[in-house]
Amino acid sequence: GENVEQHPSTLSVQEGDSAVIKCTYSDSASNYFPWYKQELGKRPQLIIDIRSNVGEKKDQRIAVTLNKTAKHFSLHITETQPEDSAVYFCAAREVNTGFQKLVFGTGTRLLVSP
Amino acid sequence: DTEVTQTPKHLVMGMTNKKSLKCEQHMGHRAMYWYKQKAKKPPELMFVYSYEKLSINESVPSRFSPECPNSSLLNLHLHALQPEDSALYLCASSPSSGSDNEQFFGPGTRLTVL
Repeated sequence: GENVEQHPSTLSVQEGDSAVIKCTYSDSASNYFPWYKQELGKRPQLIIDIRSNVGEKKDQRIAVTLNKTAKHFSLHITETQPEDSAVYFCAAREVNTGFQKLVFGTGTRLLVSP
Repeated sequence: DTEVTQTPKHLVMGMTNKKSLKCEQHMGHRAMYWYKQKAKKPPELMFVYSYEKLSINESVPSRFSPECPNSSLLNLHLHALQPEDSALYLCASSPSSGSDNEQFFGPGTRLTVL
């Protein structure tokens, strides 16, 4: 089955800096890669996703890149703000079941200091 | 209505109790999911329902019993739980389970087993 690794586990930046979180996956057949943000005590919320036929996707200050050959994808947050502080999870869809089974990375705790 | 709701928000139960968690969505989604999330860990998939049929059971112990009475409701029946089952139980839904759609998460039920 799919295995997703995520780094770093914690990331501290100053407000206005950029933050990059990296994930690798094991199953070359995986074709859908969402990123979720989970604030303390809250539900995970999708912030951006990318499909395997696209190399990069951007939404305002957030971008995701995908390298299918190397089987890794990254989340880029520019001009970070204190409200970006949260735990971020990457995920990959495991395709062999025929259903949308998401396998999550271990999470990155992002702290943005004012 | 673009939300997934869950009740109760908090639940404390003894190891001999029987209780149920409830999840509801009115977005017309045909796939619903139960996840378990321990502190500082990613969500772990437990069950997937597609068109009210159980499609994935991730080898979950029988003390957890899911039920999907209709396309809007998902229950998780709990019986004879162990203290290690204490966790945040998240429900999610997506338009379908066979394609790459956003999974919308509910706020979760925080379960404590004494």
